[in-house]
Amino acid sequence: GAVVSQHPSRVICKSGTSVKIECRSLDFQATTMFWYRQFPKQSLMLMATSNEGSKATYEQGVEKDKFLINHASLTLSTLTVTSAHPEDSSFYICSAKREGPLNEQFFGPGTRLTVL
Amino acid sequence: QKEVEQDPGPLSVPEGAIVSLNCTYSNSAFQYFMWYRQYSRKGPELLMYTYSSGNKEDGRFTAQVDKSSKYISLFIRDSQPSDSATYLCAVAPYNFNKFYFGSGTKLNVKP
Repeated sequence: GAVVSQHPSRVICKSGTSVKIECRSLDFQATTMFWYRQFPKQSLMLMATSNEGSKATYEQGVEKDKFLINHASLTLSTLTVTSAHPEDSSFYICSAKREGPLNEQFFGPGTRLTVL
Repeated sequence: QKEVEQDPGPLSVPEGAIVSLNCTYSNSAFQYFMWYRQYSRKGPELLMYTYSSGNKEDGRFTAQVDKSSKYISLFIRDSQPSDSATYLCAVAPYNFNKFYFGSGTKLNVKP
């Protein structure tokens, strides 16, 4: 399968700071990437759909100004958690959709964010 | 009503057992059905992918879709300790614009 990377894999930050998470498709171009959030022992919750060259589409209840998404190229999408608070601590996972007959979605390894 | 319902388990079986994992979904418009495996603190990886109804087999894994009852299953034959993970089902409409995930079933295969 295709490879999607995320950086950093783990980040610890102080409350009030901003954190940027990168998602890269390494061996294919992705016009669409997705950002998910996963709490312990729970499923993936879609936060937003990131489209290259246009604004992201956010799911209901997800604050656009808090979770800034930029999909500047066909291989890179970034999620910035602004003014992070302890309740933002979670596992953030991105995925990239590979266009084609199967339209598969490949997931990154995830980023564990801990806000102190 | 959630789009996809999945029993969270945990499910504990001895090595070599046949494992059956199941999900139900609510919207008959879903056309694509996926199973992902997620190890602890890792991202999900795609295991099986099925379009519409029917069975699909890949090694020890068989995915089954029954659209009439909106029921999807994953069978694992000759289960191994390395199969211990959380298994997530997912469904998507024809245009793949959005995936809906089940809550995941935690499987433990005991040696």
